[in-house]
Amino acid sequence: ETGVTQSPTHLIKTRGQQVTLRCSSQSGHNTVSWYQQALGQGPQFIFQYYREEENGRGNFPPRFSGLQFPNYSSELNVNALELDDSALYLCASSAGSLPDEKLFFGSGTQLSVL
Amino acid sequence: QKEVEQDPGPLSVPEGAIVSLNCTYSNSAFQYFMWYRQYSRKGPELLMYTYSSGNKEDGRFTAQVDKSSKYISLFIRDSQPSDSATYLCAMKSVDDYKLSFGAGTTVTVRA
Repeated sequence: ETGVTQSPTHLIKTRGQQVTLRCSSQSGHNTVSWYQQALGQGPQFIFQYYREEENGRGNFPPRFSGLQFPNYSSELNVNALELDDSALYLCASSAGSLPDEKLFFGSGTQLSVL
Repeated sequence: QKEVEQDPGPLSVPEGAIVSLNCTYSNSAFQYFMWYRQYSRKGPELLMYTYSSGNKEDGRFTAQVDKSSKYISLFIRDSQPSDSATYLCAMKSVDDYKLSFGAGTTVTVRA
């Protein structure tokens, strides 16, 4: 059984650019969530996808968008990058979308915006 | 006021000591409580998951939940240098999709 994998591990972009981060969920999991973790802070919920539909969103602007594919892998897209977008972006998968499901995280993508 | 408050530490203990970590929360709707361990620049790893008041034990780890006081704790017995990490508490309500995290407590276990 493979865990949650994310790519790339590190990324450097300049302000105003666009970025796409990728995530492969754990085997058997159909729900993917994305979190942003700034340095020294706990992760903040961005959104969740269940069976290719967004079914929950945190307090992030529309320039943060996502996709989930039929194989349950997912992408996070961020447009018009700002300096404050520099953070560790975490993908988590779960076996379902129910509130009591356990979330399992990948190692994250470290994004630096210069 | 943040929904979940966690003392960021840092906390430094000698090997073999008991590590005590805690979080308080303000949202009485939280029903599911988790502790994650996060090594530097890695993703959080689920350590403990509970949904009722009381204690839950798993090896050297004990999670404690007191819903009446809105307070959760994690105890690590016989701490090892490999336990050095940041520990995050996280919570979820029945009708929400997101996990609400504390800021994390950085723990160093000295050999």
